[in-house]
Amino acid sequence: EVQLVETGGGLIQPGESLRLSCAVSGFNVRGTFMSWVRQAPGKGLEWVSVIYGDGRAFYRDSVKGRFSLSRDTSKNSLDLQISSLTSEDTAVYYCARDVRGLGRTGRGYWYFDLWGRGTLVTVSS
Amino acid sequence: SYLLTQSPSVSVAPGETATLTCGGIKIGDKSVHWYQQKPGQAPALVIYYDSDRPSGIPERFSGANSGDTATLTVSRVEAGDEADYYCQVWDSNSDPDHPVFGGGTKLTVL
Repeated sequence: EVQLVETGGGLIQPGESLRLSCAVSGFNVRGTFMSWVRQAPGKGLEWVSVIYGDGRAFYRDSVKGRFSLSRDTSKNSLDLQISSLTSEDTAVYYCARDVRGLGRTGRGYWYFDLWGRGTLVTVSS
Repeated sequence: SYLLTQSPSVSVAPGETATLTCGGIKIGDKSVHWYQQKPGQAPALVIYYDSDRPSGIPERFSGANSGDTATLTVSRVEAGDEADYYCQVWDSNSDPDHPVFGGGTKLTVL
């Protein structure tokens, strides 16, 4: 079965660190573009980070320098190390599979065709 | 960063047609994708590349994109369609390039 399962969330104090994991089943994480998307309580969706097929990772400005995304091909999983957390980072964190390319009309596209159920990170003292 | 604007809420009676809009400068030049998120669940793709439906999505869901507005239309609305709907595009002009989501529209079935 093709699925994504996130783990690692919890209640954490401001300034501390946490590692979120995304277990991938049904396809190979190597060579696949994968992202993390978060959703603060009662708010909308916000892209956080992407890892390219070649292993390069990119981040939104607000988490750059604090978050680090990597993949473990032996476990077929992703790891998102998040640090120096603030209340602004409180959210459900979703792992998602990217679909990227150039469409029939010549327009590029990037969307998410598979999502995990998410893991909640609560930053509070 | 590219900005997408969605109406906060839309309400329709069962059997009617719901029209959800997503505004953005020259959004017609971009590919638009739509997600449905039911309470307590992860988002799920319902429309990609403006108007294509993933396998398993009913034909009642359709999309269009032109000018400054993209539209998700839900025909013959059912109670099970009640959810938040998010539009999304690729902001290829930002560094790093990244996906951008609209603020979401809550579809209420009366």
